[in-house]
Amino acid sequence: NAGVTQTPKFRVLKTGQSMTLLCAQDMNHEYMYWYRQDPGMGLRLIHYSVGEGTTAKGEVPDGYNVSRLKKQNFLLGLESAAPSQTSVYFCASTGNRVPDTQYFGPGTRLTVL
Amino acid sequence: ELKVEQNPLFLSMQEGKNYTIYCNYSTTSDRLYWYRQDPGKSLESLFVLLSNGAVKQEGRLMASLDTKARLSTLHITAAVHDLSATYFCAVDGTMEYGNKLVFGAGTILRVKS
Repeated sequence: NAGVTQTPKFRVLKTGQSMTLLCAQDMNHEYMYWYRQDPGMGLRLIHYSVGEGTTAKGEVPDGYNVSRLKKQNFLLGLESAAPSQTSVYFCASTGNRVPDTQYFGPGTRLTVL
Repeated sequence: ELKVEQNPLFLSMQEGKNYTIYCNYSTTSDRLYWYRQDPGKSLESLFVLLSNGAVKQEGRLMASLDTKARLSTLHITAAVHDLSATYFCAVDGTMEYGNKLVFGAGTILRVKS
C-alpha cells in the first residue's frame, strides 16, 4: 500500500495563478483533510471531507476550494494564488473507526511569488 | 474555540537526560494525539490517547493524558540523538463525523551528544 500520496511535491506560482493539489489514499478511508503548515504555527485545517461527495470548511478556508468526487481522492484548489499562501500543504486521511490517528501524505511545498 | 498550547517550543538537551513536553488544551476532550516530524518530512503518528489516565509507552517515549486538567505530557527518558525532531500534540475538536484535530505549535527537540 502506498498510503497517502500527494502531487506535486514542489511548486512555484506567480501571484494570481491557479493550481490544484492532488491527494490520493489507498486505505479506503472515509475522512480526508487538507492542512497547511507554517513556521511556529503547527498545522491548521483548511478543508475536510467526511465521505465521497462531501466537503466542509476548516479553520482557514479562505482562498481555497476542494472537491471529493472519488472516495480515494481529495483535491485542493487555489483559484488566484497569493503570497500569503506560501506554505507546506499536507493531506491526511483516517478510517471509519473513530477515533483513529490521521495518516499524513509527504507534503507539497508551495511558493507564491 | 479549542486552543492547544505546547511548552516548551524549543528544547535542547544532552544525551542521557530526561525531560517532559507539556500539552495544554482549552476545552473538554478525551482524544489526544502525538506526532513526530523530522525536518522536511511528513508527520508520523506516535501515540493515541483516548481516555482519562491513559498512558502509552514506546521505547524512550511515554505519553499520558489527564482530561480533568486538560493536560497531556510526553516524557523522554535517557534521550538519544535519534529523538531529535519536532513533536506535535493534537486534540480532537470533535465533530459529528470523523475527527477534527487542532494542533499545538510543536516542540523542536535537539539532543546533543
